[in-house]
Amino acid sequence: GAGVSQSPRYKVAKRGQDVALRCDPISGHVSLFWYQQALGQGPEFLTYFQNEAQLDKSGLPSDRFFAERPEGSVSTLKIQRTQQEDSAVYLCASSLEGGGTYEQYFGPGTRLTVT
Amino acid sequence: GNSVTQMEGPVTLSEEAFLTINCTYTATGYPSLFWYVQYPGEGLQLLLKATKADDKGSNKGFEATYRKETTSFHLEKGSVQVSDSAVYFCALSATGANSKLTFGKGITLSVRP
Repeated sequence: GAGVSQSPRYKVAKRGQDVALRCDPISGHVSLFWYQQALGQGPEFLTYFQNEAQLDKSGLPSDRFFAERPEGSVSTLKIQRTQQEDSAVYLCASSLEGGGTYEQYFGPGTRLTVT
Repeated sequence: GNSVTQMEGPVTLSEEAFLTINCTYTATGYPSLFWYVQYPGEGLQLLLKATKADDKGSNKGFEATYRKETTSFHLEKGSVQVSDSAVYFCALSATGANSKLTFGKGITLSVRP
């Protein structure tokens, strides 16, 4: 079946622009996660949804970052007034349910470059 | 907070060599432990996992044992292949419904023929 998809795969934004990154999780997966991966580093947690409820946003680096999942399926990560330090790969993952025993399936990521 | 420490890389080995990649963690409670792999040009995928102390995860010839006494989850393979060249990430998730992953920095493995 289809895996997690993300779009766009690559995004170049001028400093100060707003961007929106989309994630389509595996159908039926309850849990959805966003991670940020800087060059040469491991992914870092941004936020977590269970269905449409955003249960943890402790990893969002500033109030310029906003995520939503209004119908419990597709999710969008929005970054307002982008800064150079926002340049990274943004990964989305979904899992069947919450809990550490369920595998998270990752999308290919969106590489954001802020110039 | 939770953290994962991986040995520094990169690692270069000859085909059929023995592989060990060290991973230690800091966490409260009883986390689940994972190894993820990222092949060139592909997304992150789960390689193996262990959910409680003394469990051994295994897949594709790779193994790792959850050692609570040493807070470690070292990855091993007896005979690496060129196709194992990739970036390997150790990760943990805490107990509870929010299974967010905490990753190590990753290590690049290159296997030469």
